[in-house]
Amino acid sequence: EAQVTQNPRYLITVTGKKLTVTCSQNMNHEYMSWYRQDPGLGLRQIYYSMNVEVTDKGDVPEGYKVSRKEKRNFPLILESPSPNQTSLYFCASSSNTGSFYNEQFFGPGTRLTVL
Amino acid sequence: KQEVTQIPAALSVPEGENLVLNCSFTDSAIYNLQWFRQDPGKGLTSLLLIQSSQREQTSGRLNASLDKSSGRSTLYIAASQPGDSATYLCAVQGGSEKLVFGKGTKLTVNP
Repeated sequence: EAQVTQNPRYLITVTGKKLTVTCSQNMNHEYMSWYRQDPGLGLRQIYYSMNVEVTDKGDVPEGYKVSRKEKRNFPLILESPSPNQTSLYFCASSSNTGSFYNEQFFGPGTRLTVL
Repeated sequence: KQEVTQIPAALSVPEGENLVLNCSFTDSAIYNLQWFRQDPGKGLTSLLLIQSSQREQTSGRLNASLDKSSGRSTLYIAASQPGDSATYLCAVQGGSEKLVFGKGTKLTVNP
């Protein structure tokens, strides 16, 4: 089954404790991205990757890191989480066709609480 | 900077009614527009993708139109059912590759 998976689905942690949220897709997609969703603010892009070893900042990259060492994986790293990073996080992927980007497929989400 | 607006923010209709959800965007230089559905606490499910060169897309009871020059899209849902209750999000993709989302329309279909 074609899908985007995220782990963990739920996480409660404390300020300053490094964490990684994994994202994996099995559709051989070049493009992957991370979003956060907050009430009243909607979905905002954190980072994206056009292909292996190519990453770039989205709208709200502060406090986050990413890496793209393999095509299928795009982990999101919070080196020193803070309470304002409490949010619902989504990973997404899509295939590229020249300048046109096909539909994006989203993972089930990771609900993160930072105390 | 691209901004996406969805009106209304919430909509409640009786079962069986045909309805229209609206999406507007400020910058017409887009590659595509995508409509999603989100159930409470769940991820996003892609409903329809309209490329910038297209005017509409259909899937079952759903029809989405795109008027790029006026910066508008509509999602038409025919013969609504209680199972259609969800939040509907539209998102546009421009030259920066990212999706810019509206804040969604929360739809409730009453039996």
